[in-house]
Amino acid sequence: DAGVIQSPRHEVTEMGQEVTLRCKPISGHNSLFWYRQTMMRGLELLIYFNNNVPIDDSGMPEDRFSAKMPNASFSTLKIQPSEPRDSAVYFCASSLGGWRGYTFGSGTRLTVV
Amino acid sequence: SQQGEEDPQALSIQEGENATMNCSYKTSINNLQWYRQNSGRGLVHLILIRSNEREKHSGRLRVTLDTSKKSSSLLITASRAADTASYFCATDAGSGGSNYKLTFGKGTLLTVNP
Repeated sequence: DAGVIQSPRHEVTEMGQEVTLRCKPISGHNSLFWYRQTMMRGLELLIYFNNNVPIDDSGMPEDRFSAKMPNASFSTLKIQPSEPRDSAVYFCASSLGGWRGYTFGSGTRLTVV
Repeated sequence: SQQGEEDPQALSIQEGENATMNCSYKTSINNLQWYRQNSGRGLVHLILIRSNEREKHSGRLRVTLDTSKKSSSLLITASRAADTASYFCATDAGSGGSNYKLTFGKGTLLTVNP
């Protein structure tokens, strides 16, 4: 298995632009998580899905953030419009749930200028 | 909010020495997990310990859990330069079933000098 695949690896965009981050979880994993990592706040859970259904989006900072999981093999995190304070590394992780650990992707480093 | 807090924030040791990192948390948990993150990479799951377990081993890793003190420790024995990374504890305090989500601490940066 290729693991959790995220794209792009790096994204530089101008303030106000729309940004879409993509994630392909491990086949068979039924839970998918989006995290944001910054030096100041560490790893923050933004949203997670179970069997493609959003379970908890209380970590989504603002209405500018939205996430979808149209099927078991694909998820997107969209920021519209983007702002400089959104600059961070965004990680996607998947899991079989329960007593199992997460498998993380390599992350997308987002820079909003 | 951060559930787990690692201590120390940074640790520097010589190759061959043991490294001990601690984690404290605030609420009751189902399990506690440790992850490693190399610079510029994603997190890698190391070990999971359930709330009814007190100690667990995996290779050179030893994890302890004290639920009465709400604390855990990760011991890496005979450290190697390749162990240089940030180490995070993560807690699962969900209600079970589909409500399974991890809250991560801010990590301990371990540097192993050759």
